[in-house]
Amino acid sequence: GEEVAQTPKHLVRGEGQKAKLYCAPIKGHSYVFWYQQVLKNEFKFLISFQNENVFDETGMPKERFSAKCLPNSPCSLEIQATKLEDSAVYFCASSQFSLNTEAFFGQGTRLTVV
Amino acid sequence: AQSVTQLGSHVSVSEGALVLLRCNYSSSVPPYLFWYVQYPNQGLQLLLKYTTGATLVKGINGFEAEFKKSETSFHLTKPSAHMSDAAEYFCAVSVSAGAQKLVFGQGTRLTINP
Repeated sequence: GEEVAQTPKHLVRGEGQKAKLYCAPIKGHSYVFWYQQVLKNEFKFLISFQNENVFDETGMPKERFSAKCLPNSPCSLEIQATKLEDSAVYFCASSQFSLNTEAFFGQGTRLTVV
Repeated sequence: AQSVTQLGSHVSVSEGALVLLRCNYSSSVPPYLFWYVQYPNQGLQLLLKYTTGATLVKGINGFEAEFKKSETSFHLTKPSAHMSDAAEYFCAVSVSAGAQKLVFGQGTRLTINP
């Protein structure tokens, strides 16, 4: 596709439940990034992929968060046992190459943990 | 470590007036710098970017920014504000020569007064 597609747009989970977010990058883009936006600002980098391989996971919380990008499937970000502080908008972005190229962002998934 | 500071979390200008949004960065390597705009409930849209070459960069919607290495700044300007410019603006720096992980500033909310 010509845009980064994120699903669902909104997700509500009770504390302790699992949340799974999906991202379909732009066709032909090799890199996928996940960011967390809390309180309308403070973008925090979570993880990046080069194709199906984890490229940089320095931002991922060690517990409860995991992500995958498998061939011929949307990428996913999964949060086990959600906590209230996980409430945020999660943005996915993709770029064609790694250096100097624009990262295109999806519209985000708003996760609300109640 | 790289960082970005946006001076002023909220800027208000009159329609037709000059827009100036300030961004200072810290980077131990030559930076790649970006300005993104976020409209309500939307993802990020790239306004402009500096990688190498000309230090005055022109972007979409009449915005431009100048990279000043001596001042470690990358301020965003627009000569004449339009009501449609009201949004949240984020300055970002790319931290590595590899995958384009972005470090964002805190954002500046731009309000346009009629």
